[in-house]
Amino acid sequence: KQEVTQIPAALSVPEGENLVLNCSFTDSAIYNLQWFRQDPGKGLTSLLLIQSSQREQTSGRLNASLDKSSGRSTLYIAASQPGDSATYLCAVNNNDMRFGAGTRLTVKP
Amino acid sequence: DAGVIQSPRHEVTEMGQEVTLRCKPISGHDYLFWYRQTMMRGLELLIYFNNNVPIDDSGMPEDRFSAKMPNASFSTLKIQPSEPRDSAVYFCASSLSEYEQYFGPGTRLTVT
Repeated sequence: KQEVTQIPAALSVPEGENLVLNCSFTDSAIYNLQWFRQDPGKGLTSLLLIQSSQREQTSGRLNASLDKSSGRSTLYIAASQPGDSATYLCAVNNNDMRFGAGTRLTVKP
Repeated sequence: DAGVIQSPRHEVTEMGQEVTLRCKPISGHDYLFWYRQTMMRGLELLIYFNNNVPIDDSGMPEDRFSAKMPNASFSTLKIQPSEPRDSAVYFCASSLSEYEQYFGPGTRLTVT
């Protein structure tokens, strides 16, 4: 059974700092991995989708990497802004989507 | 609680037909979400409701898609007319305010 772990559970940084969120999974036979942003009272917003054949994806200030063999993915956020404050979830899809518990990010002005 | 219930679990239909997907959220939850999952695009939010009222439907791909929530215990997602590119797994999820979303098992839709 796939288990997805996200570290840290919470992170608080000053505005402008670069940061890394971590996601690890136990079964490397995945189709893809997806990073989401969750804001209170809203649906999940897809940030980046990495297919199993890919090593990384970039969108604006976000970069996500995938190392299937080691069961790890990272989400890098450059030049963080207060508007980046949210909970970030990673989800692994191997015919059954599994979510991590999330990292609650606070970016202080 | 039985969790989020979706029906049918599988649906195969021909292009041009109307498709209706159903969802029963967890009792007491005030948010309901509809998502679509494809291999190419992953999981995408289509629409969500709060207290039976649609809040954001910007993810609904076209006018062929519509969703309703007539009461707190039932929601439908309708596609009319269906097209082959609508083939995907459609998930319903519910949550209590801003807490964790609980997903249903999904409906696998195939449009031929």
